[in-house]
Amino acid sequence: AQKVTQAQTEISVVEKEDVTLDCVYETRDTTYYLFWYKQPPSGELVFLIRRNSFDEQNEISGRYSWNFQKSTSSFNFTITASQVVDSAVYFCALSEASRGAQKLVFGQGTRLTINP
Amino acid sequence: NAGVTQTPKFRVLKTGQSMTLLCAQDMNHEYMYWYRQDPGMGLRLIHYSVGEGTTAKGEVPDGYNVSRLKKQNFLLGLESAAPSQTSVYFCASSYEGAKWGFGPGTRLTVT
Repeated sequence: AQKVTQAQTEISVVEKEDVTLDCVYETRDTTYYLFWYKQPPSGELVFLIRRNSFDEQNEISGRYSWNFQKSTSSFNFTITASQVVDSAVYFCALSEASRGAQKLVFGQGTRLTINP
Repeated sequence: NAGVTQTPKFRVLKTGQSMTLLCAQDMNHEYMYWYRQDPGMGLRLIHYSVGEGTTAKGEVPDGYNVSRLKKQNFLLGLESAAPSQTSVYFCASSYEGAKWGFGPGTRLTVT
């Protein structure tokens, strides 16, 4: 069965520090999608990125970057020069694309606090 | 294009009362889902639907029922609410597991 583990429950850093959020996943499928979502204090889920299992290229978007490594089943998320507005709960999620209903399985979430 | 909408946004129930949460999507997605979010546990799947007229159980289905009478709507029912069902509920829709839309969430408190 598919599983996502975010071992870091809470992280607290000072503004401008770099921070990496870890995500490890388990799946027996060869075709799958990995996601990161941000949940700010307002509560909605904000989509950040989707990566499919055949694309291991790292992605950079402004201060955000993602490192996808199939060999270690990890999809880590780094925020460079963190800002107070980055404070939120971040979720990593996995969707198996070739098995029936393509359910999205979430990790437990990492609460990130950026202190001024 | 509203994406995924949910009603209501907030609700307080007393133990034993019933209610229905409504989810609507305008993206023509076949698949729809109901999740609940509890502190420290991420989002867990309650029920889902792979098409109009179909429903299936997810990870935590007990105490809930669902119906998908129209492709764009997915209803979540609580027949006899319990304090353990206090949670934030999210509706989602999906296209082939690759594109996902989430509603804004419904905060339910059962006293």
